[in-house]
Amino acid sequence: NAGVTQTPKFQVLKTGQSMTLQCAQDMNHNSMYWYRQDPGMGLRLIYYSASEGTTDKGEVPNGYNVSRLNKREFSLRLESAAPSQTSVYFCASSESWWTSEQYFGPGTRLTVT
Amino acid sequence: GESVGLHLPTLSVQEGDNSIINCAYSNSASDYFIWYKQESGKGPQFIIDIRSNMDKRQGQRVTVLLNKTVKHLSLQIAATQPGDSAVYFCADGGGTSYGKLTFGQGTILTVHP
Repeated sequence: NAGVTQTPKFQVLKTGQSMTLQCAQDMNHNSMYWYRQDPGMGLRLIYYSASEGTTDKGEVPNGYNVSRLNKREFSLRLESAAPSQTSVYFCASSESWWTSEQYFGPGTRLTVT
Repeated sequence: GESVGLHLPTLSVQEGDNSIINCAYSNSASDYFIWYKQESGKGPQFIIDIRSNMDKRQGQRVTVLLNKTVKHLSLQIAATQPGDSAVYFCADGGGTSYGKLTFGQGTILTVHP
């Protein structure tokens, strides 16, 4: 099993450009999450999907949209990138909404200039 | 808002020593607490969790202690090895925000051979 995979690994955007971060998991997990991690800080939840067909806002959702494409895939879209969105983005999944253990992908390092 | 924080941002130990990483939390409604390990350039990796109705839980070389009276938890790593060098995060979840983890800032653990 590959676990949680994310693409791309690195991306540089200009202010105002848009892009979609892709995430997929092969563990048949029901719940998926998007976090951002800024230098010297812990992770902050952007959006989550408790189960296929549902999405909801986390702590820092402004400037982002998500799509739970199917049970395996959960994408994060930046419609108009801003320098404040420069960060490392992590996707995670868990067996269910009630499971404490989340499995994380390797991250996408995004720089917005 | 609710937050999870750490007392010490860095910890240096000698190989073979025991390490103790501390964490303070503020959400008294949390149902569980989790410790994650993050190696450089990788996503966080689940270490151990503890439910709010417990005060101690042991894993392989790790022990987590929970003191609800003072809202404090700690991660003890026995016989610390160079491979334990990483950033350690505590996180809390549950209560009214089940599945939505709140992460602390992180502690950098450096193990010297």
